[in-house]
Amino acid sequence: GEDVEQSLFLSVREGDSSVINCTYTDSSSTYLYWYKQEPGAGLQLLTYIFSNMDMKQDQRLTVLLNKKDKHLSLRIADTQTGDSAIYFCAETPSNDYKLSFGAGTTVTVRA
Amino acid sequence: DVKVTQSSRYLVKRTGEKVFLECVQDMDHENMFWYRQDPGLGLRLIYFSYDVKMKEKGDIPEGYSVSREKKERFSLILESASTNQTSMYLCASRHNPGPDGDEQFFGPGTRLTVL
Repeated sequence: GEDVEQSLFLSVREGDSSVINCTYTDSSSTYLYWYKQEPGAGLQLLTYIFSNMDMKQDQRLTVLLNKKDKHLSLRIADTQTGDSAIYFCAETPSNDYKLSFGAGTTVTVRA
Repeated sequence: DVKVTQSSRYLVKRTGEKVFLECVQDMDHENMFWYRQDPGLGLRLIYFSYDVKMKEKGDIPEGYSVSREKKERFSLILESASTNQTSMYLCASRHNPGPDGDEQFFGPGTRLTVL
């Protein structure tokens, strides 16, 4: 989507940390999301952050939100081969029913 | 577990054919969505529905129509399929947005090829 931007590809070595970055445009978005799509499957919600938070941690996942710069990141610690997937950043613009998605970042984990 | 199912995983149709893609959810969700997914473009919203018999155009509705006669079922219709409608089609559903967020649950997708 044109309102949410993310890089298209990331290659990371197994055991290293992955960081996926996203920028969005609607500063009044209430929630920001990270979805994961494994090969041949639909999207699955990985985590989300409420707009009044700066950080959210969930096991190996850390989400950082910089509202001033409209920047969202997802860090995956100790990246595993099962983390190979496409990761989508998404926002819910204010007064809108729909999600705006980024183009997706394809993460490839190499041994 | 929330389940969103789509009638076909793979579909091959010819130019000019009328194509029906069906989506069914079992969690009594009010809202349902149809997206298409293309490499480098992410997900783009075609149509969505707030509730039964209601529909709203998304970002790219041209060449598509939808039907929501029952709450659990949302159909996407390609009136006259064209090659530029070759894509992955994803259906999603959710409850009305509320204080606990507005997570959308996705089906597995239908990969449509129009020859």
